[in-house]
Amino acid sequence: DGGITQSPKYLFRKEGQNVTLSCEQNLNHDAMYWYRQDPGQGLRLIYYSQIVNDFQKGDIAEGYSVSREKKESFPLTVTSAQKNPTAFYLCALGSGGADTQYFGPGTRLTVL
Amino acid sequence: DAKTTQPPSMDCAEGRAANLPCNHSTISGNEYVYWYRQIHSQGPQYIIHGLKNNETNEMASLIITEDRKSSTLILPHATLRDTAVYYCIVRVANSGYALNFGKGTSLLVTP
Repeated sequence: DGGITQSPKYLFRKEGQNVTLSCEQNLNHDAMYWYRQDPGQGLRLIYYSQIVNDFQKGDIAEGYSVSREKKESFPLTVTSAQKNPTAFYLCALGSGGADTQYFGPGTRLTVL
Repeated sequence: DAKTTQPPSMDCAEGRAANLPCNHSTISGNEYVYWYRQIHSQGPQYIIHGLKNNETNEMASLIITEDRKSSTLILPHATLRDTAVYYCIVRVANSGYALNFGKGTSLLVTP
């Protein structure tokens, strides 16, 4: 973290409700990524954006949507179409072609 | 990205060196080896990366075999705070693409 903010740390929602997860950065990085992690599993890519007003689907984009209206922000909406939304969601930054990625602290979403 | 294989778990005594292996036999010439770690309930943290030469930084050393088909991450003096899941990732540098995380190696450092 350090310049990458994800809020809140824990989030609870009722089934059938859309919910938006926040990811904000002040490190001036071009690329931003959203990953999902289930218990005991590695990270899976949901969406990524390499530049403002452009984003691409990752491996598990169904049931999710994103926007990239400004460089500092890349919010992720978990829609009611996502069948199993309870998971740990991680946002990451990269500088376009950077060798390394920097991760935020994550948001743990629980759908009741 | 080339596929990597890591042992699911390892133990290490505190103060000893932790040697975490990774096989990547299908690595291509322009792919780098990256290591990240994830402490429980936190985001992954970059550790080190390399192409073919051995690399060292303040966190760890990376030893890549001459044929580049395997590598070892070395934590020279493991502490309890090094208990985490360690991910070995192979990818082309400067591609801007997302990282392909597998299940990694769960390292437990014991007192």
